[in-house]
Amino acid sequence: DAGVIQSPRHEVTEMGQEVTLRCKPISGHDYLFWYRQTMMRGLELLIYFNNNVPIDDSGMPEDRFSAKMPNASFSTLKIQPSEPRDSAVYFCASSSRGYGYTFGSGTRLTVV
Amino acid sequence: KQEVTQIPAALSVPEGENLVLNCSFTDSAIYNLQWFRQDPGKGLTSLLLIQSSQREQTSGRLNASLDKSSGRSTLYIAASQPGDSATYLCAGHVVRSGAGSYQLTFGKGTKLSVIP
Repeated sequence: DAGVIQSPRHEVTEMGQEVTLRCKPISGHDYLFWYRQTMMRGLELLIYFNNNVPIDDSGMPEDRFSAKMPNASFSTLKIQPSEPRDSAVYFCASSSRGYGYTFGSGTRLTVV
Repeated sequence: KQEVTQIPAALSVPEGENLVLNCSFTDSAIYNLQWFRQDPGKGLTSLLLIQSSQREQTSGRLNASLDKSSGRSTLYIAASQPGDSATYLCAGHVVRSGAGSYQLTFGKGTKLSVIP
């Protein structure tokens, strides 16, 4: 298995633009997580899915953030409109029944 | 709400030294605990996973222990090497009732530097 695949690896965008981050979890994993990492706050859970259904989105900072999982092999995290304070590394992770997590390489987002 | 604390935030040791990284958590109803390694600009690599029914796990020069009663986990690295330099994060899995759902809460990590 190729592991958790995230795209793009780097994204630079202007304030106010829409940003879409993508994730392909490990085949067979039934949990998918989106995390954000910053120097100040460390790793924060934004939202997670179980069997494609959002379970907890309490970590999503604002309505500007939305996440979808249309099928078991694909998820997106969208920010619209983006702001400079959204600049961070966004990680996707997947897990099988909560037993051990595998992380993607992350998307480094810079909003200027 | 589960809180995970790692002390120290940074550690510098000479090559060859044995060392211990500490992790403490507030919720003893932890499902399992996982240690990760993160290299600069990279993602997280899983090192060891300790289930709540276990007390420790070993992989090569690494040994992780879990003491739920005291809310602590340690990562022991034997005979440290410069290649071990990275940030080490511990994360606790907390099971939320009802949905059988799981949440992973991270500490902020310990940045380890092994000096040749």
